[in-house]
Amino acid sequence: EIVLTQSPATLSLSPGERATLSCRASQSVSNYLAWYQQKPGQAPRLLIYDASNRAPGIPARFSGSGSGTDFTLTISSLEPEDFALYYCQQRSDWPITFGQGTRLEIK
Amino acid sequence: QVQLVESGGGVVQPGRSLRLSCAASGFTFSNYALHWVRQPPGKGLECVAVISFDASYDHYADSVKGRFIISRDNSKNTLYLQMNSLRVEDTAVYYCARDFFERDNWGSFESWGRGTLVTVSS
Repeated sequence: EIVLTQSPATLSLSPGERATLSCRASQSVSNYLAWYQQKPGQAPRLLIYDASNRAPGIPARFSGSGSGTDFTLTISSLEPEDFALYYCQQRSDWPITFGQGTRLEIK
Repeated sequence: QVQLVESGGGVVQPGRSLRLSCAASGFTFSNYALHWVRQPPGKGLECVAVISFDASYDHYADSVKGRFIISRDNSKNTLYLQMNSLRVEDTAVYYCARDFFERDNWGSFESWGRGTLVTVSS
């Protein structure tokens, strides 16, 4: 099973700042990595698929990069609605696995 | 627009069975792989099972293999999850999710239902 490790566990920033979230895989997943945002009481929302492709309707301030084992989700300038939980997920191999999440909180 | 509506959750005793359903609309159901993803209260996400667009294959997480069965009825636009021999650790919100890609290119979850809560408790 491919283990995804996200860092940091919690990120405290202010609106307008840049957020950088990391995800490391225990083995190469090529570019088969996605990022999701989840708010309390809601289902996750797909932000980025295949490492760097924004899903339909996702604002341009969200971007993804990386390949192999190291990936990054960047939010260029935080909006109030961006403070939430973020998960990475790989589809390179079954079982599909998720990281444990990074909580992005308001400083 | 894409809609996925889960039903069938509830409180059940350990060892009993439950069947979840997911009614889909707003897209060509038979073109997409479908997934069940669960989330225990306050915890992370686990992909439980996937079924291919044509139901020719499926995969299960080790934690549910031999106990859960995923199926679909493409004539009714409905996904199912038969859950047998339920355990306390199966307690979670169960989401159905449609893949982003069509047919055999699967593994990214674009559309999600609101989820249905399954509580396994004596």
